[in-house]
This record gives sequence, structure tokens and C-alpha cells, in this order.
Amino acid sequence: KAGVTQTPRYLIKTRGQQVTLSCSPISGHRSVSWYQQTPGQGLQFLFEYFSETQRNKGNFPGRFSGRQFSNSRSEMNVSTLELGDSALYLCASSLSPFFDTEAFFGQGTRLTVV
Amino acid sequence: SQQGEEDPQALSIQEGENATMNCSYKTSINNLQWYRQNSGRGLVHLILIRSNEREKHSGRLRVTLDTSKKSSSLLITASRAADTASYFCATGSAGGTSYGKLTFGQGTILTVHP
Repeated sequence: KAGVTQTPRYLIKTRGQQVTLSCSPISGHRSVSWYQQTPGQGLQFLFEYFSETQRNKGNFPGRFSGRQFSNSRSEMNVSTLELGDSALYLCASSLSPFFDTEAFFGQGTRLTVV
Repeated sequence: SQQGEEDPQALSIQEGENATMNCSYKTSINNLQWYRQNSGRGLVHLILIRSNEREKHSGRLRVTLDTSKKSSSLLITASRAADTASYFCATGSAGGTSYGKLTFGQGTILTVHP
């Protein structure tokens, strides 16, 4: 079956702009989480969605938001981009809401803010 | 914030040798997982060990968990050049604040020389 699909793979944006990233989970997986990966901070949890509801949120400013659609596809949005938002953004899906079974990650979206 | 530390930060070995990576964490956990990442791409799930388990095997991988010391180790036996990657441990917990959240270590960069 198809894996987790993230689009686009690469993105270059200017400071102050906003960006939307997309994630299609594995069919049947209703729990979707987003992570930010940077060399300095490592992998940081952004938020988790289940059945179109955000159930958990990491320690990120309100500029970071997301949503989930009825087909479990998820989007995350970053407004008023800052240079520090440059990162690899990873989406993961799992059968278990606590991710205590195997989590499947997408290839990520590499965001560069200039 | 990161759950804990991984040790060593980098490991360089020859093909055929064994590689051991260690992970420590701070809070109580439901499970601990190990992931591999090649060159800033997506994470690939390797193995999951639950808090009531002490050791688990999968092919050339052996994972141990010591909850009293809050530590885990990943052993890769008979390493191959294709094992060159970054390896991350991640912990999961139960409870409402843990939905979809895996807390990652900083990772160990493994280089296997042919």
C-alpha cells in the first residue's frame, strides 16, 4: 500500500510569507502528527490530528497551525515566516493514537526561508 | 525539548563490525522506538520495545530496555555500508498529552566503511 506522501518536497519562501504543506497518511490511518527537524533543535513535535480534531500541540508559536480533512489528509500552515523556520517538516501517521505502534513517516518537505 | 541523550553522537566502523548506540530518557514511558534516517529524508521505523519488555530482536537488530536506568541500547550486528545513516530513539507515553507525540533523542550518526 502507498506510504505517507508529503508535498511539496522542497520549498523556498521569503521572510514574511506564509506556506502550506500537505500530508496524505497511509490509508486507514486516522492519526497524523507533524514534526519539525532542524540541526540545532533536532526533531520537535508540532501537533497531532485525529478525526479532524487537534488533540495535542507542541511548544510552537501560534504562527504554526494545521488542520485535518475528513479523508485524514492533513495540512500545516506557517504564517509570517522567519529565517528560523527553515527546516525539514515531517508528517507521520499511525494506527494508534498514542503512536505506540509503528509510525510511518513521509519523506518530508524541506522549507528554506530566505 | 528532547527526551534525553544519545551516545555516541557519531560512530565510525568497518563493515562486518557491530555497532552499539545508547539512548537515555527522563520520564516514564509506554514504549521506546528506534528509527533510521538517511541523509535528511524521512524516518524509517526499525523496532519498538514496550516498557514491560527487556529485549527484542529483529534481524540484525537487538534492542534492550532498562526502565530502572531509563536507558536503551540498539545493537546492529555485522554492519554493512548500507547501514550508514542517523539513528534516533523515540519515546512514547500514554495519556491525553501524549497523543501522536514521540519524543526524540538527538541521534547517532553511524558511518560504516566498506
